[in-house]
Amino acid sequence: QKEVEQDPGPLSVPEGAIVSLNCTYSNSAFQYFMWYRQYSRKGPELLMYTYSSGNKEDGRFTAQVDKSSKYISLFIRDSQPSDSATYLCAMREETSGSRLTFGEGTQLTVNP
Amino acid sequence: EPEVTQTPSHQVTQMGQEVILRCVPISNHLYFYWYRQILGQKVEFLVSFYNNEISEKSEIFDDQFSVERPDGSNFTLKIRSTKLEDSAMYFCASSPSWTLPRLAGKFYEQYFGPGTRLTVT
Repeated sequence: QKEVEQDPGPLSVPEGAIVSLNCTYSNSAFQYFMWYRQYSRKGPELLMYTYSSGNKEDGRFTAQVDKSSKYISLFIRDSQPSDSATYLCAMREETSGSRLTFGEGTQLTVNP
Repeated sequence: EPEVTQTPSHQVTQMGQEVILRCVPISNHLYFYWYRQILGQKVEFLVSFYNNEISEKSEIFDDQFSVERPDGSNFTLKIRSTKLEDSAMYFCASSPSWTLPRLAGKFYEQYFGPGTRLTVT
């Protein structure tokens, strides 16, 4: 079983739609959960991070973590064409330093 | 805004040749990383580096790989004898710290460079 699984998509939505991106994981030691955005020919850029279970909101973005189900989500409200990118979930353990374990990435296109 | 830079953007090399990928981390950062992404696959951790030594390395980072901070600004990844399967995008990242957010009271982000695309023929 892969440590982190993410549906690679591609996902295509109309402008203004609510987008839901998800990852599942198998390593119970993961404590920090991140979402990165990656535009074509660029490196990953941190969008949001959460520690432990719960929700975190930042503008149009909401990150959700359910540790009991080993499931994390990123919701994008009122999606814009500029949100078109690849979204990567990433996780790290409490004690293993700063190694990030990434999902495969979901390619999102928001159509005007 | 400070950013991580990487050179070259694209490197083509023949199998068996040595390559050096270069990175300039953000100037006040202390922790440096290399990740790679084979086309169509996930970003994978290779190595982390602090205080002129390797902090952690993955199973991918075997004896063919080495890292160095030759001066105060550059951070390099060397692959001694490249294989076809080394073809990938290589990302450098830097962070001001790796201290656990829970202890530090804040989260220290890893800032990624734009990557070097390595093609081994």
